[in-house]
Amino acid sequence: EVQLVESGGGLVQPGGSLRLSCAASGFTFGIYSMHWVRQAPGKGLEYVSSISGNAESTFYANSVKGRFTISRDNFKNTLYLQMGSLTTEDMAVYYCARERSYGGKGNFDYWGQGTLVTVSS
Amino acid sequence: DIQMTQSPSTLSASVGDRVTITCRASQSISSWLAWFQQKPGKAPNLLIYQASSLESGVPSRFSGSGSGTEFTLTINSLQPDDFATYYCQQYSFYFTFGPGTKVDIK
Repeated sequence: EVQLVESGGGLVQPGGSLRLSCAASGFTFGIYSMHWVRQAPGKGLEYVSSISGNAESTFYANSVKGRFTISRDNFKNTLYLQMGSLTTEDMAVYYCARERSYGGKGNFDYWGQGTLVTVSS
Repeated sequence: DIQMTQSPSTLSASVGDRVTITCRASQSISSWLAWFQQKPGKAPNLLIYQASSLESGVPSRFSGSGSGTEFTLTINSLQPDDFATYYCQQYSFYFTFGPGTKVDIK
């Protein structure tokens, strides 16, 4: 059974940093691109960042570029999101998601339960 | 960047109704579109991919259609479990979500 379990969320002050983790199990982690998606309270889904299976390729939404870093450890089957210079605009539930490639493009077939990041002084 | 819009933003319906949600892309995305259902406090759940392919385990009352820039999600005979928020997502060029459509009880 595919499982994605996020952790690392919590309360952080504006300007602070936080590292999120997403532990994967039930599939061959290293061959799948992985993603982070966030959802501010009462708002819609916002794509954040992607990383390829071999970690050679990464991509960031403009809203987080230069402040967030996505990485992965394929030996530990874990995805990470290092977040810095946090503002209240970054307050959200952060989900990790697996990308399933089909026909040359990938969609998000499995999601974790999410971890809440609260930015407040 | 590809922008996604959805209409309506809220839809009131009754059990047994046929419901249609529209999603539009700012440029052609071929058929690279997915639909998700999300319930409060839960992660999104994939319903449809590649515009019209039903994800395994999803009830057949859900269907998707469209290509290019205009897409629809149809729920035939709405069930109590279907009251939720629905999002479209393009994955033609990176990823963009629509703003969502909340389906609530009339």
